[in-house]
Amino acid sequence: DQQVKQNSPSLSVQEGRISILNCDYTNSMFDYFLWYKKYPAEGPTFLISISSIKDKNEDGRFTVFLNKSAKHLSLHIVPSQPGDSAVYFCAASTYGGATNKLIFGTGTLLAVQP
Amino acid sequence: DAGVIQSPRHEVTEMGQEVTLRCKPISGHDYLFWYRQTMMRGLELLIYFNNNVPIDDSGMPEDRFSAKMPNASFSTLKIQPSEPRDSAVYFCASSSQGALLYEQYFGPGTRLTVT
Repeated sequence: DQQVKQNSPSLSVQEGRISILNCDYTNSMFDYFLWYKKYPAEGPTFLISISSIKDKNEDGRFTVFLNKSAKHLSLHIVPSQPGDSAVYFCAASTYGGATNKLIFGTGTLLAVQP
Repeated sequence: DAGVIQSPRHEVTEMGQEVTLRCKPISGHDYLFWYRQTMMRGLELLIYFNNNVPIDDSGMPEDRFSAKMPNASFSTLKIQPSEPRDSAVYFCASSSQGALLYEQYFGPGTRLTVT
């Protein structure tokens, strides 16, 4: 049972345009969300996070939006650059728990065309 | 800091053989995680340790999989006997409760192919 879902396995965007990556979750106990970025032959690296007490978090070109009622979050990249081409994983966890266990989605491959 | 170190980077083995994957976490980190990445299921958490003690192994697929952490600087994931469906990329990650909350640092992964 996939608690964190990324329904788009791939996305292609032109350089300079906006990239929007989506993520849905089913567990209402999740209250902390993260995005990780993964290049080929490397491990995932942390990109940006958001707590459920917020609906938006911004870091440079990257913004994450959270819609708790819809159990949906999205990552916006503006403007997209060829170096952003990678697999993006959405992850969720429960804040304040005794662990920092993350549940990851299946990933979305973003290709930014020059 | 060298980051999380995994070995080997690639492993090709025949069905039925024992496979051992190794991980050295970042010094000072008290959490260690083993993940498996496949196209169908994405990044699956197999097991994680806190202060060398296994906390949650509910993601370990079957008894053929086992993991140990004999000390704070070393962990192994063993598959015995291996099967073709075990072919995947296996990642080790570490984190610290004192660090940015829930940020995990991943190693480069071990690509396992079982023929």
